[in-house]
Amino acid sequence: DQQVKQNSPSLSVQEGRISILNCDYTNSMFDYFLWYKKYPAEGPTFLISISSIKDKNEDGRFTVFLNKSAKHLSLHIVPSQPGDSAVYFCAASPKPNAGNMLTFGGGTRLMVKP
Amino acid sequence: DTEVTQTPKHLVMGMTNKKSLKCEQHMGHRAMYWYKQKAKKPPELMFVYSYEKLSINESVPSRFSPECPNSSLLNLHLHALQPEDSALYLCASSQDQSSGGSGTQYFGPGTRLLVL
Repeated sequence: DQQVKQNSPSLSVQEGRISILNCDYTNSMFDYFLWYKKYPAEGPTFLISISSIKDKNEDGRFTVFLNKSAKHLSLHIVPSQPGDSAVYFCAASPKPNAGNMLTFGGGTRLMVKP
Repeated sequence: DTEVTQTPKHLVMGMTNKKSLKCEQHMGHRAMYWYKQKAKKPPELMFVYSYEKLSINESVPSRFSPECPNSSLLNLHLHALQPEDSALYLCASSQDQSSGGSGTQYFGPGTRLLVL
């Protein structure tokens, strides 16, 4: 049973427009959520996180929204740039403590067209 | 600085070889992780070390043997691997909030392993 799901395997967006990547989870114990960006043959790069006490966190062009009642989070990238083309993973953990397990979604491949 | 380094970048080994993957971080993080990632799949957790002690082993075969010599280093010893073990092996580290960290896991660039 997948506890974290990214239902869109791929997304194509025009440069300068908004990219919206979605993620759903089922485990009510998840308390901390993260987005990672990954290029082929490289390690995931941490982008942005949000704890369950917030519903929005913003860092430059990246904003993460959390809807706890719907068990849904989304990553907004505005404006999208060709360099944003990568696979994006959302991840969740019960609490952000050392030695805790991250559960990853299956990833969404974002393609930003010039 | 959020750098985790891994060596080697690439490794080709036969099924009878013994090799080791190395991971290092100097962020003072007290949790370190090994993940395995196959193409088009998310990272799969293998092992977690917390304060240099193995805290989680996700039913990984014994041909993979982790070691944490000190708080900055993490090794993964490989012996008698199978071709299906070919994958990208990722190391990560994190610091919990009780120790002043954010709990975020930071990943290294990975070691691409090919078992022939």
